[in-house]
Amino acid sequence: SQQGEEDPQALSIQEGENATMNCSYKTSINNLQWYRQNSGRGLVHLILIRSNEREKHSGRLRVTLDTSKKSSSLLITASRAADTASYFCATDAAQKLVFGQGTRLTINP
Amino acid sequence: GAVVSQHPSWVICKSGTSVKIECRSLDFQATTMFWYRQFPKQSLMLMATSNEGSKATYEQGVEKDKFLINHASLTLSTLTVTSAHPEDSSFYICSARTSGRVRSYNEQFFGPGTRLTVL
Repeated sequence: SQQGEEDPQALSIQEGENATMNCSYKTSINNLQWYRQNSGRGLVHLILIRSNEREKHSGRLRVTLDTSKKSSSLLITASRAADTASYFCATDAAQKLVFGQGTRLTINP
Repeated sequence: GAVVSQHPSWVICKSGTSVKIECRSLDFQATTMFWYRQFPKQSLMLMATSNEGSKATYEQGVEKDKFLINHASLTLSTLTVTSAHPEDSSFYICSARTSGRVRSYNEQFFGPGTRLTVL
């Protein structure tokens, strides 16, 4: 069953702008991960944040985690056309990853 | 990094036939492998979890007699879609988890996926 709910379902912005995607989940987790998927392709692991961490950075990516609200956000700064993809959060609990619904991000040149 | 392969990358078959998809961990031993299904413009749905040498654990709503999973070794898991029908057409993705590394969490690595089209 799906645990993560993401919003927005779709996001379209201009190149250079920042993109923020949110993920909410229901149960306790060990960690939360974000993945990218280009249309019809496999998953690319972006970043992992542990349950005892609040914020993590990787290049143009910034992830926050609020375990009290059971939510996470992914911020992509200075977006590029190549960032166009679907982004999924996945919660790691009970030794398996469960994916959210995903956000389809479109970067307009 | 760890690599997971899937074969075939795509397959087209006639309704009623069975299709086998292989998932291999190429440079590590996978204690657990997972099978996901993804319909167009939707998220990944976990179908089942398999541990080497034991029966797979299926998620609610997934027919175990229709989706046969075999995890015969620490590097190979297979998913067989039996008596495939057009509604089984989907993108099937496997992943492998290792506990062999010194990490505070068990890493999970994904295969590139197999696109199944049933005519």
